[in-house]
Amino acid sequence: AQSVSQHNHHVILSEAASLELGCNYSYGGTVNLFWYVQYPGQHLQLLLKYFSGDPLVKGIKGFEAEFIKSKFSFNLRKPSVQWSDTAEYFCAARRDTGRRALTFGSGTRLQVQP
Amino acid sequence: DGGITQSPKYLFRKEGQNVTLSCEQNLNHDAMYWYRQDPGQGLRLIYYSQIVNDFQKGDIAEGYSVSREKKESFPLTVTSAQKNPTAFYLCASSASLEGSSNQPQHFGDGTRLSIL
Repeated sequence: AQSVSQHNHHVILSEAASLELGCNYSYGGTVNLFWYVQYPGQHLQLLLKYFSGDPLVKGIKGFEAEFIKSKFSFNLRKPSVQWSDTAEYFCAARRDTGRRALTFGSGTRLQVQP
Repeated sequence: DGGITQSPKYLFRKEGQNVTLSCEQNLNHDAMYWYRQDPGQGLRLIYYSQIVNDFQKGDIAEGYSVSREKKESFPLTVTSAQKNPTAFYLCASSASLEGSSNQPQHFGDGTRLSIL
């Protein structure tokens, strides 16, 4: 069965530190990949997405992610985090065809200390 | 503004009672989804509908039912058969598969369901 794994459940960083959150998926074939963010008290928002082409994708708020097909990974990165990045981050995947619903990872809670 | 509206924001259910969560979208999206969010487990798919009058079970459909009589509405009923209904429920929608495969899902603000 398809699955998405996020290995970091809770990450605590100081402002200006660099961030990398891991995401691995188990799909075969062509896959669409997403990172969503949920700020405290707010709804899920799309951070970035990968469908095809350049494996390094840039999203909003300075986030980027790299798709590495050989490693089935789609890690999220940011060179310098801010206090306002405190949120929960979800990696998600779906097949390019067929069922369009997303399979989500368990989420990573990021806490940025000022 | 276009978006997804879920109501109510908070809902309480008594044992043995069915409750219905509302989800309405004005994005003209064909596909709609229901997810359940539990702490430490991310979001899990309950049901989804890719077109009006059609819906499919997701990964955890037992104890739930849905209908899709109108394009803009996809209500979820949590039945008494659902033994652990306390959770945060999220509705989402996306453009149709045809010619729109690059569209992400948009999410509502969610409904928090608790058992009395």
